[in-house]
Amino acid sequence: DGGITQSPKYLFRKEGQNVTLSCEQNLNHDAMYWYRQDPGQGLRLIYYSQIVNDFQKGDIAEGYSVSREKKESFPLTVTSAQKNPTAFYLCASSQSRDSRLKAFFGQGTRLTVV
Amino acid sequence: QKEVEQNSGPLSVPEGAIASLNCTYSDRGSQSFFWYRQYSGKSPELIMFIYSNGDKEDGRFTAQLNKASQYVSLLIRDSQPSDSATYLCAVHTGRRALTFGSGTRLQVQP
Repeated sequence: DGGITQSPKYLFRKEGQNVTLSCEQNLNHDAMYWYRQDPGQGLRLIYYSQIVNDFQKGDIAEGYSVSREKKESFPLTVTSAQKNPTAFYLCASSQSRDSRLKAFFGQGTRLTVV
Repeated sequence: QKEVEQNSGPLSVPEGAIASLNCTYSDRGSQSFFWYRQYSGKSPELIMFIYSNGDKEDGRFTAQLNKASQYVSLLIRDSQPSDSATYLCAVHTGRRALTFGSGTRLQVQP
C-alpha cells in the first residue's frame, strides 16, 4: 500500500534528551514536510524539503533539525534546545511538480516530555 | 493578521442539516485551497480541494471559492454524526508549503 509511515506513534522524552521521529513515504513524492500541532491549534510548519539533500526552515524551526538523504525519508530530530516539545508531530508529502501542493499526512507521532 | 483564519467553533448542527464552514486568507496571490478533516487524536485527511473561483462538488461536500473576497468555504449537506470533527482550511500562499488555519470544530447532533 502506498502511504506515509511515521514512527513511533507515541514517544516519551526526558528533559535534555534528543529524540528522532521517523517519516517514510513510498508515494514517490519529491516534497516532504514536518508540522507541529498543539492542542486546539492548527498546524505550524517546522521544516520542509523539496528535493533530496535540500531542506528549508519553516516558521518554528528553532530546536529542531532534519536531514533528507533519501527521497523516501525525512527524519526530524527534536533537540534539547526545544524548550516545549510536547506536541503532536505530523509529517506530510506532496508531488512538488504539482504546484498546487496537494499534501497527504502520516498518522502522526505524539511526543511527551516526562 | 493571521494568514489563514477560521472560527474555532464549535459549530453545532442537527443531523441532516447543512453545515457551513468558512475560511478567509490574507495573501491575494494564493493559488490553491484545501479542506482537511481531522478526527480527535488522528492526523488530517484531505477531503476537498479547489483552485478556481466558483463551486466544486464531491458527494455531500461542496467547496466554494471567492478570490476577490479572499474567502473559501465548505458546505456539508445531510450532516451525519460521523462528520463531527475539526475541519482545517489550508492555503497555498505562494510559499513552498501549505499554511493552515486553526480549524473549526463541527458537532453534528443526532
